[in-house]
Amino acid sequence: QQQVKQSPQSLIVQKGGISIINCAYENTAFDYFPWYQQFPGKGPALLIAIRPDVSEKKEGRFTISFNKSAKQFSLHIMDSQPGDSATYFCAAVNTGNQFYFGTGTSLTVIP
Amino acid sequence: GAVVSQHPSWVICKSGTSVKIECRSLDFQATTMFWYRQFPKQSLMLMATSNEGSKATYEQGVEKDKFLINHASLTLSTLTVTSAHPEDSSFYICSARAGSVNSPLHFGNGTRLTVT
Repeated sequence: QQQVKQSPQSLIVQKGGISIINCAYENTAFDYFPWYQQFPGKGPALLIAIRPDVSEKKEGRFTISFNKSAKQFSLHIMDSQPGDSATYFCAAVNTGNQFYFGTGTSLTVIP
Repeated sequence: GAVVSQHPSWVICKSGTSVKIECRSLDFQATTMFWYRQFPKQSLMLMATSNEGSKATYEQGVEKDKFLINHASLTLSTLTVTSAHPEDSSFYICSARAGSVNSPLHFGNGTRLTVT
């Protein structure tokens, strides 16, 4: 059973555009939601994270929007650049500190 | 920031041989480390949780006798793929948490294993 559902599977965005990746979860015991960025042949790197007591967190061009009632959260990449081309994973962490990863989104930013 | 080093980054071995992968936390102590397996264009699959000084906890379906995990110190965990077969070819990634509850996971750069 996939605890965290992520969409889309792949995304192509023009340079300068906004990339949006969505995740949804069912388990209300999740209380920490990180996003990871992975380049080919490399391990995932923490990008940005949010806790459910806030609805939005912004770090540079990256913003997480969190909707607690809908159990959804999304990553927005503003002014997308070719260097942002990578695979992005959302994750949800429960109170027992177990990580559940989404299925990943392959982002391609076209110059 | 917290750094997790994984070695080797890639390895090619023959069927039937064993391969050891090391995962080190360079600037923090990690009582718990995690081992993941990732197939091309797929998500990370948790294989086992490695606990310093005790036996690893394996996820359902993961053969503990095939994937031996040792966590002998607070900065080192090893994964040994024993009697490797071509179907074991994959990308193996370790991670560790720098801190206690709700600390982010930091990942190593992964090891690409190819079994011929």
